[in-house]
Amino acid sequence: NAGVTQTPKFQVLKTGQSMTLQCAQDMNHNSMYWYRQDPGMGLRLIYYSASEGTTDKGEVPNGYNVSRLNKREFSLRLESAAPSQTSVYFCASSEGWEADTQYFGPGTRLTVL
Amino acid sequence: GNSVTQMEGPVTLSEEAFLTINCTYTATGYPSLFWYVQYPGEGLQLLLKATKADDKGSNKGFEATYRKETTSFHLEKGSVQVSDSAVYFCALIDDKIIFGKGTRLHILP
Repeated sequence: NAGVTQTPKFQVLKTGQSMTLQCAQDMNHNSMYWYRQDPGMGLRLIYYSASEGTTDKGEVPNGYNVSRLNKREFSLRLESAAPSQTSVYFCASSEGWEADTQYFGPGTRLTVL
Repeated sequence: GNSVTQMEGPVTLSEEAFLTINCTYTATGYPSLFWYVQYPGEGLQLLLKATKADDKGSNKGFEATYRKETTSFHLEKGSVQVSDSAVYFCALIDDKIIFGKGTRLHILP
């Protein structure tokens, strides 16, 4: 039981390049989330998927897109990376939406030059 | 809108000291409250939670009580260990989840 897995662990991009961060969970959870973590800012929600087939914007969605590919997988895409998107990205999942414990992946450290 | 405010760090204590990390919140509804912990190089993991007023969450010697009258959920531990060194996040879920900015804790041997 791997929990929440993320790939890649590290990535360096040049400004304007695109990439997709992958996330998968094996806990049969309905809800999945993408966060970014920046020094002094805590965690900020980028997008979430309350259930398979739905996605919604969080606090900081600009510059990102997501796809809930199936119940297990939730990807985050940067179409044209900017230095302001340098951050650590965490994927998380929970059984439901309301008041549920979230389980986090190990994170992807992204640097945009 | 909803918000979470927690004390700024870093907090540095000696082993076996008493720990308090303050957390206060604003919410329009009746949120559930959480403490998450992040060890170096890892993702966050749930430490404890409380879903209604006067509930006490506890785990690994840590505890926090949901105080509606003071809108607080302070984290306490009676005797900290070096292994407790980490970043601690207070969070609430109302219509969506909101995290505080985190408090870095250093425990000296």
